[in-house]
Amino acid sequence: EIVMTQSPATLSVSPGERATLSCRASQSVSSNLAWYQQKPGQAPRLLIYGASTRATGIPARFSGSGSGTEFTLTISSLQSEDFAVYYCQQYNNWPPRTFGQGTKVEIK
Amino acid sequence: QVQLVQSGAEVKKPGASVKVSCKVSGYTLTELSMHWVRQAPGKGLEWMGGFDPEDGETIYAQKFQGRVTMTEDTSTDTAYMELSSLRSEDTAVYYCATGVWGYDAWGQGTLVTVSS
Repeated sequence: EIVMTQSPATLSVSPGERATLSCRASQSVSSNLAWYQQKPGQAPRLLIYGASTRATGIPARFSGSGSGTEFTLTISSLQSEDFAVYYCQQYNNWPPRTFGQGTKVEIK
Repeated sequence: QVQLVQSGAEVKKPGASVKVSCKVSGYTLTELSMHWVRQAPGKGLEWMGGFDPEDGETIYAQKFQGRVTMTEDTSTDTAYMELSSLRSEDTAVYYCATGVWGYDAWGQGTLVTVSS
């Protein structure tokens, strides 16, 4: 089973600042990685797939990079609506399609 | 655009079974690969299983093997997830989700509470 490890667990950022979230896979997942945003009481929302392709309707301030085992989600200038929990998920080698444990982005 | 609407909250006793439904609109179920994900209170996302179009089979996470059954009724475009032998640790929000690369459509979630 591929283990996905996200860091940090919590990221404190001021509005307008850049946020950088990391996701590491225990073995290569090529570029078969997705990022999701989840707000309290809501279902997750797909932000990025294929490690770097923004999903439909996702603002350009969200960008993804990486391949193999190391991945990054960058939010270039945090808006108030971006404070949420972010998860990575690999879909290269399954079952299971493992998720990371999440990174909470909170207001500093 | 795919829309997924799930059945309502359930309260079950330990040892019982629960069956959650997920109604598809905007597409037919045969055009989609449906998966199920759960989230315990205050915890992260956990993949339970889903349809593999390459094999034409539903694949389950090992953790749930023998306890979970995912089925589809193509006549009503409704997917189902049944979990048996429920225990308190199964208290969670259960989501259906679909997408080609990552899940770009999710149901609203169904809270299943297991309590005596």
